[in-house]
Amino acid sequence: AQSVTQPDIHITVSEGASLELRCNYSYGATPYLFWYVQSPGQGLQLLLKYFSGDTLVQGIKGFEAEFKRSQSSFNLRKPSVHWSDAAEYFCAVGGFQKLVFGTGTRLLVSP
Amino acid sequence: GAVVSQHPSWVICKSGTSVKIECRSLDFQATTMFWYRQFPKQSLMLMATSNEGSKATYEQGVEKDKFLINHASLTLSTLTVTSAHPEDSSFYICSAGGRPYGYTFGSGTRLTVV
Repeated sequence: AQSVTQPDIHITVSEGASLELRCNYSYGATPYLFWYVQSPGQGLQLLLKYFSGDTLVQGIKGFEAEFKRSQSSFNLRKPSVHWSDAAEYFCAVGGFQKLVFGTGTRLLVSP
Repeated sequence: GAVVSQHPSWVICKSGTSVKIECRSLDFQATTMFWYRQFPKQSLMLMATSNEGSKATYEQGVEKDKFLINHASLTLSTLTVTSAHPEDSSFYICSAGGRPYGYTFGSGTRLTVV
């Protein structure tokens, strides 16, 4: 069965520091992987997605993620965090149609 | 890019009444839409898959008679919460799309049942 694990419930990062959010997945075939961001009371915005090809994926807002098949991971990174990046981040794996989400990581940005 | 519009953004209703939430794909046709429920500070749980012109597919544990889904056209799916109770209060989000282009989400509907 498909599953996604985001081991960090909360992460606090200083503004300007680098960020890495962890995501591990379980999927029986080639996964389609996604990272979404959610601000309070809002829907989800797609940051980036991986289907195939280059394992380092560039997304919006300066985010990138690297697919590592051997580690079943798809970690999200950003070299320099801005205060506006504070939000909830969800990793998801997609089958033919539906998505399975991780439990999310809340990012707090300190001054 | 693909845009999904969801209305209303928030709704308050009395216990025992029904509430309808609309999900529209604005610039693409969506044969399949998805309805999720999100409890505070939790992840999204898929409730059902809405298929245009056919019955929705519900996830295990989701009451079909309470959460009625209609996907009457390629651009509109509706979720009706029937005989709502306070425990139905939640954040409901729809999405449309799929492989290989990804999934676009609506902005969500905050339902409060009083």
